[in-house]
Amino acid sequence: EDQVTQSPEALRLQEGESSSLNCSYTVSGLRGLFWYRQDPGKGPEFLFTLYSAGEEKEKERLKATLTKKESFLHITAPKPEDSATYLCAVQGSSASKIIFGSGTRLSIRP
Amino acid sequence: DGGITQSPKYLFRKEGQNVTLSCEQNLNHDAMYWYRQDPGQGLRLIYYSQIVNDFQKGDIAEGYSVSREKKESFPLTVTSAQKNPTAFYLCASSDPGTGHTGELFFGEGSRLTVL
Repeated sequence: EDQVTQSPEALRLQEGESSSLNCSYTVSGLRGLFWYRQDPGKGPEFLFTLYSAGEEKEKERLKATLTKKESFLHITAPKPEDSATYLCAVQGSSASKIIFGSGTRLSIRP
Repeated sequence: DGGITQSPKYLFRKEGQNVTLSCEQNLNHDAMYWYRQDPGQGLRLIYYSQIVNDFQKGDIAEGYSVSREKKESFPLTVTSAQKNPTAFYLCASSDPGTGHTGELFFGEGSRLTVL
């Protein structure tokens, strides 16, 4: 059964303090791994797609990487506006279903 | 601007009542999805539709129903058979024609509370 586990559940950082969020997954035939950002009371916003091990994507202070078992979302020198819940999702060989993790709630203190 | 519109944003329901959540998109996407989000949990798939007049059950379809009569619209009915309907409901769409079926565009969500 396809499964996505994110850690930590919550992370509090000081502004400028870099860190990483983890997404471990098991899926039959990975077609894509996705990162989303969700602000409180809003719908998730798409950030990245990673398709194969070794691939990396960057956007501003965020960098996503992928191995055969996990993905990391690295945040460099974060700012308070980066505070949000970050969701990881995978799409397996059954291309129509996308499985989400429970998310990491990131809080950046000024 | 193109996007997904969900309504209502907040909805209160008495036990035993059916309610319908609206989802409209003007992105010309073929695929549409309904997810449920509970505190501390990931998004769970209720129903999805890849083309007009066709839809499939997701992981937690019991107590819900959908229709897909138009490409732009994918309403979700929460029936009285749903035992724990209080949750945040999210509608999404994607464009399989681009090959990026996992890149979902979400609406702002509808928060349903059963009194």
